[in-house]
Amino acid sequence: NAGVTQTPKFQVLKTGQSMTLQCAQDMNHEYMSWYRQDPGMGLRLIHYSVGAGITDQGEVPNGYNVSRSTTEDFPLRLLSAAPSQTSVYFCASSLFRETEAFFGQGTRLTVV
Amino acid sequence: KNEVEQSPQNLTAQEGEFITINCSYSVGISALHWLQQHPGGGIVSLFMLSSGKKKHGRLIATINIQEKHSSLHITASHPRDSAVYICAVSRPTAGNLIFGKGTKLSVKP
Repeated sequence: NAGVTQTPKFQVLKTGQSMTLQCAQDMNHEYMSWYRQDPGMGLRLIHYSVGAGITDQGEVPNGYNVSRSTTEDFPLRLLSAAPSQTSVYFCASSLFRETEAFFGQGTRLTVV
Repeated sequence: KNEVEQSPQNLTAQEGEFITINCSYSVGISALHWLQQHPGGGIVSLFMLSSGKKKHGRLIATINIQEKHSSLHITASHPRDSAVYICAVSRPTAGNLIFGKGTKLSVKP
């Protein structure tokens, strides 16, 4: 099993550009989430999904879109990148709400 | 006030020392997670617990549900234990985790 795979690992964007961060898991997990990690702030929830076709907003959803068309994939779209979106992004999955969380390796995004 | 608080924020220890990192939370939880993040690296789950105590090698995690408090202990610390340790909780009615800000541990040889 590959676990949770995030791509790309690093990305530099210009302000206004759009891009998609990919997240895939091969563990048949129902729960998937996207977090951003900023210095001194801990991880904050962007969007999450409790199953295919179901998504919901987290703490900091503005500027991001998600969809969950399959159990395996949960892409995060930046619609128009802004410098405030410079951060490290983590995707996570778990089988159920109370089970162990598995994290991707992270995507370090810089918006200039 | 943050829903999950960790202490200390930073911790420096000498190799071989016994280390304790604390986590307090103010919300109802279904489970508490201890995670490890090495510099520039991904996040790895160390423990998930909802009661009592768990042990894995030199790491021990305990939780007191009544006091809403958990501790992560590292016995015989080693420089390779240097990392950020993050406490997170999962809530009964939500699918996401709430994170503490992390404790940065540095173990000197």
